[in-house]
Amino acid sequence: EAQVTQNPRYLITVTGKKLTVTCSQNMNHEYMSWYRQDPGLGLRQIYYSMNVEVTDKGDVPEGYKVSRKEKRNFPLILESPSPNQTSLYFCASSLGGSGGPYEQYFGPGTRLTVT
Amino acid sequence: ILNVEQSPQSLHVQEGDSTNFTCSFPSSNFYALHWYRWETAKSPEALFVMTLNGDEKKKGRISATLNTKEGYSYLYIKGSQPEDSATYLCAFWEYGNKLVFGAGTILRVKS
Repeated sequence: EAQVTQNPRYLITVTGKKLTVTCSQNMNHEYMSWYRQDPGLGLRQIYYSMNVEVTDKGDVPEGYKVSRKEKRNFPLILESPSPNQTSLYFCASSLGGSGGPYEQYFGPGTRLTVT
Repeated sequence: ILNVEQSPQSLHVQEGDSTNFTCSFPSSNFYALHWYRWETAKSPEALFVMTLNGDEKKKGRISATLNTKEGYSYLYIKGSQPEDSATYLCAFWEYGNKLVFGAGTILRVKS
């Protein structure tokens, strides 16, 4: 089944404890992206990647890191999480490296709480 | 940061009503406009991706139009059903590689 998977689905952690949220897609998509969703703000892009080893900042990259060492995986790293990073996170992928005309396929989401 | 605006914020309609929402976006550097449907406790799913001025797309009772010169897109739902209840998101792809989402329109359809 074609899909985007994320792990964990739910995570409660404490301030400053490094964490990684994994994202993997099995559709051979070029483009991958991370979003966070906060009430009233819609989906905001954190980082995106057009292809392996190519990543760029979205609108809200502060406090996050990403890497794209393999085409299928795009982990999101929070080196020192803070309470303002409490949010619902989505990973997404799409077919083309340029992204634009191709629909995004979203993962199931990761609910992160930082206390 | 690009501004993508959706209106109304929320909408409550009766089963059988037809309804429409608006997405406004910058008219310069247009590349694509996406519409997504997002049901509670699920992930957003693509409805349409439109790239050309004057584009009209249709999927069942849902259709969308695009005006890139004036920077707006309309999403129409004909004969709303309770299962259409969801948040409808539009997203603007500026030429480059970023996708910017609007805050969404919440639709609730009462039976």
